[in-house]
Amino acid sequence: NAGVMQNPRHLVRRRGQEARLRCSPMKGHSHVYWYRQLPEEGLKFMVYLQKENIIDESGMPKERFSAEFPKEGPSILRIQQVVRGDSAAYFCASSPVGGGVQETQYFGPGTRLLVL
Amino acid sequence: AQKITQTQPGMFVQEKEAVTLDCTYDTSDPSYGLFWYKQPSSGEMIFLIYQGSYDQQNATEGRYSLNFQKARKSANLVISASQLGDSAMYFCAMKGDGGNNRKLIWGLGTSLAVNP
Repeated sequence: NAGVMQNPRHLVRRRGQEARLRCSPMKGHSHVYWYRQLPEEGLKFMVYLQKENIIDESGMPKERFSAEFPKEGPSILRIQQVVRGDSAAYFCASSPVGGGVQETQYFGPGTRLLVL
Repeated sequence: AQKITQTQPGMFVQEKEAVTLDCTYDTSDPSYGLFWYKQPSSGEMIFLIYQGSYDQQNATEGRYSLNFQKARKSANLVISASQLGDSAMYFCAMKGDGGNNRKLIWGLGTSLAVNP
């Protein structure tokens, strides 16, 4: 049973370019979460999606960031016009059922974004 | 607001000994879940153990156990018989109920080094 897949594992962009991060949840999981980890910090929640729906985007920056989870295909986190402060590790997690204090989120290996 | 505090930036332990990693939390939610994750140098985030706020017994998973003291709002991770492969960052995280049950709130982590 494959785990959460993320690609690319490493992404280098120049300031002003776009970054697209992909996440395929574990088989049977229809709930996806994106987190960002800045250097030497804990993870910060960004957005929670179900298929074709954004449920909670309270942690997403208001500008330049967007996320989707289409009916078919992986979830995409898109960062437009990247700046150096966007350099971070971006983790995707999935769960079979959304919500619930007991629901474990399983994480992918992360995408390390470096903005030059 | 929910908060996780990990006061030990770094810990050392001798191989085969036990080590306790501290975690205190703050929440006003009546029901919540506490999670520990391991992040080795390769960067992935690995789920270790879960404790529910209403669980009567402390959680255990192999060499991992959780010393849960609800009145003190602490959920310390105990690793028994440390192995060299346990060297990693360890993160404590929590989820509340209601609107807080979708996102994990994270501590800053503790770096554990196991000495041979």
